[in-house]
Amino acid sequence: KAGVTQTPRYLIKTRGQQVTLSCSPISGHRSVSWYQQTPGQGLQFLFEYFSETQRNKGNFPGRFSGRQFSNSRSEMNVSTLELGDSALYLCASSYGRGLGDTEAFFGQGTRLTVV
Amino acid sequence: AQSVTQLGSHVSVSEGALVLLRCNYSSSVPPYLFWYVQYPNQGLQLLLKYTTGATLVKGINGFEAEFKKSETSFHLTKPSAHMSDAAEYFCAVTRGGTSYGKLTFGQGTILTVHP
Repeated sequence: KAGVTQTPRYLIKTRGQQVTLSCSPISGHRSVSWYQQTPGQGLQFLFEYFSETQRNKGNFPGRFSGRQFSNSRSEMNVSTLELGDSALYLCASSYGRGLGDTEAFFGQGTRLTVV
Repeated sequence: AQSVTQLGSHVSVSEGALVLLRCNYSSSVPPYLFWYVQYPNQGLQLLLKYTTGATLVKGINGFEAEFKKSETSFHLTKPSAHMSDAAEYFCAVTRGGTSYGKLTFGQGTILTVHP
């Protein structure tokens, strides 16, 4: 069974540009969550999509957005990049039923560097 | 609101010694609790989880954790450390239901294992 796949693994962008990151969840999983990991702030929740709808949202500015497609694949977009957006972006997938028998599986992340 | 506090950003043990990583949580509702491990430049791997039922939870690689509601703690232990246990460990909490996909993480504890 394939795991969570994030592409690309590494990305270098210039301030002011925009970027799109992709996440393919485990087959059958309908929930995709995104997290930002930085040395200073740790792991912070960005948003969660379930069946193409944003179900939960963290405290990030509107420059951070996402979407989910009918096949559960998800994309995350960051517009007008700032130096502080440099981070490891992690995606996690789960069945999303909210039951105790489910767990979130993480991808290997996309390392974004803004210069 | 939920929060997680991991006591000690760095823990150092000798190979074969007991590993104890501390986690305290705050939650207004019965929590779901998790421990994840992260190796350099990798995503997060689930070690174990507590949802309901038995408060002593066994996970992979010989790790276990005990949920103590009265102390709001979920400490991670391993009787005998191995060199391969060196990594960063994260405690996380979430609610059930539609908030299940939103994990709140602690700041992480870097475990160093000395020969």
